[in-house]
Amino acid sequence: KAGVTQTPRYLIKTRGQQVTLSCSPISGHRSVSWYQQTPGQGLQFLFEYFSETQRNKGNFPGRFSGRQFSNSRSEMNVSTLELGDSALYLCASSLVSGSNLWNEQFFGPGTRLTVL
Amino acid sequence: AQRVTQPEKLLSVFKGAPVELKCNYSYSGSPELFWYVQYSRQRLQLLLRHISRESIKGFTADLNKGETSFHLKKPFAQEEDSAMYYCALERSSRAGNMLTFGGGTRLMVKP
Repeated sequence: KAGVTQTPRYLIKTRGQQVTLSCSPISGHRSVSWYQQTPGQGLQFLFEYFSETQRNKGNFPGRFSGRQFSNSRSEMNVSTLELGDSALYLCASSLVSGSNLWNEQFFGPGTRLTVL
Repeated sequence: AQRVTQPEKLLSVFKGAPVELKCNYSYSGSPELFWYVQYSRQRLQLLLRHISRESIKGFTADLNKGETSFHLKKPFAQEEDSAMYYCALERSSRAGNMLTFGGGTRLMVKP
């Protein structure tokens, strides 16, 4: 099975611009979560999508948004970029069963965003 | 709110020495605790889940609810154990996927 893929792998933007990152989950996985990784703040949860609905949300401003498509692929968008948004953005997918059993999250390689 | 603390940013040991990576958490309910590992140039991956009580690559971790700790241990470190280790907490599987990570500990195993 192919792993979680993220595109693009690297991105350079300037302050004030917006950016869209894409995540393709493992085939059959229905949950997609996004995390921001920075040297100062570490790994922080952004949001989770399941069945095209946001199921959980972290403490990030409204400039950070996301969505999930019917094929479970997900995108996250950051508007009005700030220097502090420079980070590695990780996506993780998991298989969600109807029995509420725990399912492992599998991480993608990340998208490295640099804001100049 | 939940919080995970890893007090050591860097832990350096010699090959064959015991290793203990510390993790403390705060959460009012009954959390699920995990250890994730990231080897150089590889993806973040799950190493251990507290509820499974398995030993993976010689590592074990015991959840101590009284001390709110979930330390990762290995009796004899190997050079291939060198990596970044993250302790993480999840409220419950029913709440969906929302991991709270500690700051991470870089383990360096010297030959």
